[in-house]
Amino acid sequence: AQTVTQSQPEMSVQEAETVTLSCTYDTSESDYYLFWYKQPPSRQMILVIRQEAYKQQNATENRFSVNFQKAAKSFSLKISDSQLGDAAMYFCAYRSGGYGGSQGNLIFGKGTKLSVKP
Amino acid sequence: DGGITQSPKYLFRKEGQNVTLSCEQNLNHDAMYWYRQDPGQGLRLIYYSQIVNDFQKGDIAEGYSVSREKKESFPLTVTSAQKNPTAFYLCASSWQAGASYNSPLHFGNGTRLTVT
Repeated sequence: AQTVTQSQPEMSVQEAETVTLSCTYDTSESDYYLFWYKQPPSRQMILVIRQEAYKQQNATENRFSVNFQKAAKSFSLKISDSQLGDAAMYFCAYRSGGYGGSQGNLIFGKGTKLSVKP
Repeated sequence: DGGITQSPKYLFRKEGQNVTLSCEQNLNHDAMYWYRQDPGQGLRLIYYSQIVNDFQKGDIAEGYSVSREKKESFPLTVTSAQKNPTAFYLCASSWQAGASYNSPLHFGNGTRLTVT
């Protein structure tokens, strides 16, 4: 079974600085997708960024980028120029790829709580 | 606007009572999911449905039941058999398995259930 591990329960960053959140996963599959979701105090789950395992190029969305190391099974999230609105829980998630028998659901890590200091 | 609606936002029940959480989507998604969120536990899958009139147990299905009579609706019943029902419940939907697995799950705003 696949597992997702976020080893940092809490992180803190100064406004305008850069922070990296760690995520590792365990799988025997070669085809899969990885996601980072943000959950602010409103508890709405918001997609931050996604990465297809077959793509070598790291995904980027404005101030958010990932460092995807497939061999190491690592998928870290970098937030540049941190803003007060970035304060939230961040969840790393894994989804099996392909068709036939897959649930299609996401497997989540336990989350990292990010605080942003003004 | 398309989206997922969960109601109510807060729900209070007495121990021993069954309670049903509503989830409706107008995104035309085939697949729907129920997750439970507890502090420090992340999100855990309760049930999922990839097509109308079919659903499968997730990792923590005991004490829960679902139905999928319509594509748009996937209600979750928390039964009296669920030993620790107090939690935050999130409903999600996505395109059918195989269509595009890089399509993300879309989430509702959640229901906070408190059982005393």
